[in-house]
Amino acid sequence: DADVTQTPRNRITKTGKRIMLECSQTKGHDRMYWYRQDPGLGLRLIYYSFDVKDINKGEISDGYSVSRQAQAKFSLSLESAIPNQTALYFCATSDEPGTGWFDEQFFGPGTRLTVL
Amino acid sequence: GDSVTQMEGPVTLSEEAFLTINCTYTATGYPSLFWYVQYPGEGLQLLLKATKADDKGSNKGFEATYRKETTSFHLEKGSVQVSDSAVYFCALRRRGTSYGKLTFGQGTILTVHP
Repeated sequence: DADVTQTPRNRITKTGKRIMLECSQTKGHDRMYWYRQDPGLGLRLIYYSFDVKDINKGEISDGYSVSRQAQAKFSLSLESAIPNQTALYFCATSDEPGTGWFDEQFFGPGTRLTVL
Repeated sequence: GDSVTQMEGPVTLSEEAFLTINCTYTATGYPSLFWYVQYPGEGLQLLLKATKADDKGSNKGFEATYRKETTSFHLEKGSVQVSDSAVYFCALRRRGTSYGKLTFGQGTILTVHP
């Protein structure tokens, strides 16, 4: 089974609708992240969380909110979806940095969201 | 702010050809550098990394050397296979940041034909 799972894998919705993307992980990591991927722009960080009580905005958080329901679950919500939120969304997890301060991020398979 | 620039794609090669994907960066301080690969329908996977100048990261026949003087981290492979077809992302992480923020390049699509 995959260590980082995302649901749904594909979603088509209409402008103004509320939508939630879910992420679950079995790696036991405390840190979780949400990114969006747009063609020609790479990945950009939306929100990140160090633990259940610690949630932080990334570089493009406007129009999004998140909920960390448990160590293993991190959900991304679009309160009122708009067409320019059409993108591929990735969840990622990482452990605490070790002595080398490198915390490798492990990515889920992505959710392709289309807002009409 | 930090930024990563990759060569324009897509790149199309024949099997066993030599691959180079250029990556240059701009960052405050002394970042760590990474290459991630995204196979069709999957999430990103770490391919290789380098944390200091002149470090060479290597994995699966791919190599990249951290060149501080040219602020570059070009990805190379001597003989590509069809299975290497994927999107490749160069990324950096600034040293000393309190969270794992990665700054990504725009990605380069690689297609390898038999």
